[in-house]
Amino acid sequence: AQSVTQPDIHITVSEGASLELRCNYSYGATPYLFWYVQSPGQGLQLLLKYFSGDTLVQGIKGFEAEFKRSQSSFNLRKPSVHWSDAAEYFCAVGAQGSQGNLIFGKGTKLSVKP
Amino acid sequence: GEEVAQTPKHLVRGEGQKAKLYCAPIKGHSYVFWYQQVLKNEFKFLISFQNENVFDETGMPKERFSAKCLPNSPCSLEIQATKLEDSAVYFCASSTHKNQPQHFGDGTRLSIL
Repeated sequence: AQSVTQPDIHITVSEGASLELRCNYSYGATPYLFWYVQSPGQGLQLLLKYFSGDTLVQGIKGFEAEFKRSQSSFNLRKPSVHWSDAAEYFCAVGAQGSQGNLIFGKGTKLSVKP
Repeated sequence: GEEVAQTPKHLVRGEGQKAKLYCAPIKGHSYVFWYQQVLKNEFKFLISFQNENVFDETGMPKERFSAKCLPNSPCSLEIQATKLEDSAVYFCASSTHKNQPQHFGDGTRLSIL
């Protein structure tokens, strides 16, 4: 069955520290992958996407993610976290040839310590 | 518009009442998706449209839920005879193509009392 796993429910990092949020997927078809961020009471904002090509993708707000097919992973990284990055982060997967609806992970809540 | 607009932001209904949610996709986007976000952040796909045509309704509950996207009108999601378990945040998203990135609205929080 298709699924997305975000193993970390809650992560706390200090401001200025580096960040890595994990995402693993299980999908039969060739996947395309997204990271979204959700602030309280807000919708989902697209951070970055991977469709094909270079497996290291750059996104907005200084985020990047690396697609590793052998590990079925698409981890999100940021070298230096800012207090404004505190939010909920969702990994999502779709597939070429699918109907387009996304499968979401359950999210990772990021807290940032001063 | 440049953003997906969902109304109302918050909707409160008594159990058994009807609830209707609206979504205006980004201008030029021909695909609309509805998702339900329940407790513990689980997103469930409900239905998608290509213009005014239902594209994929595999996630829609067979009873009580219906949706439309009519020309020159916001899309709508309607729930008849609401139940406590329908309490959730309902998100609408739009995209230029079914496999292109989806742009989300801010959601409608539905509370069933």
